[in-house]
Amino acid sequence: EVKLVESGGGLVQPGRSLRLSCMASGFTFGDYVMSWFRQAPGKGLEWVGLIRGKSYAETKEYAASVKGRFTISRDDSKNIAYLQMNSLKTEDTAVYYCARDQESYAIVGVVIADHYMDVWGKGTTVTVSS
Amino acid sequence: QSVLTQPPSVSAAPGQKVAISCSGSSSNIGNNYVSWYQQFAGTAPKLLIYDNDKRPSGIPDRFSASKSGTSATLGITGLLTGDESDYYCGTWDSSLSAVVFGGGTRLTVL
Repeated sequence: EVKLVESGGGLVQPGRSLRLSCMASGFTFGDYVMSWFRQAPGKGLEWVGLIRGKSYAETKEYAASVKGRFTISRDDSKNIAYLQMNSLKTEDTAVYYCARDQESYAIVGVVIADHYMDVWGKGTTVTVSS
Repeated sequence: QSVLTQPPSVSAAPGQKVAISCSGSSSNIGNNYVSWYQQFAGTAPKLLIYDNDKRPSGIPDRFSASKSGTSATLGITGLLTGDESDYYCGTWDSSLSAVVFGGGTRLTVL
């Protein structure tokens, strides 16, 4: 069974740090891009960032709202993706999801990007409050 | 403020059909593939449509989607009360180098 399980959420004070984990099973983890998302209470989905596999030098992309504060990494030997969150703000309060990202590109005159998330974890809740 | 624009809510009676629109620009929908997600309250999103109009295995053919220019549309026919959920469109934005979503549309089956 293809599965993703997030962990590491909790209550943290503003300005502090937290590291989330996303454990994968049922597929060859290293072959896939992994993305992180979040959903604030009562709000829509927000992409946080992604990390590509070794074939693409584990390059990363981040949303402007978290760039410089959040870092995504991966350990393919353990099938885990991480989201290190520093300098947390109250507005970072959300359910955080990891997902398998089926990133691909086609060149038909212009570059056409394809990103769709076909496997999602159940999420872990992060509450930033004093 | 979401990069993609969806109506906040739509409603229809059981058995009827509904269309949910998703509007963007040339840097996102206009030149990249669109996907759609279904999210029931308190649960993780689920992939409904990928590559503009393809359904993953297990998704009934009551769900369909299309893309034209800088807009996309999700259609649901033969509505069931169990279809009541939030629906999100998503794509890559080449200018932002980011995955972007619409604000979500809540479907009510009256």
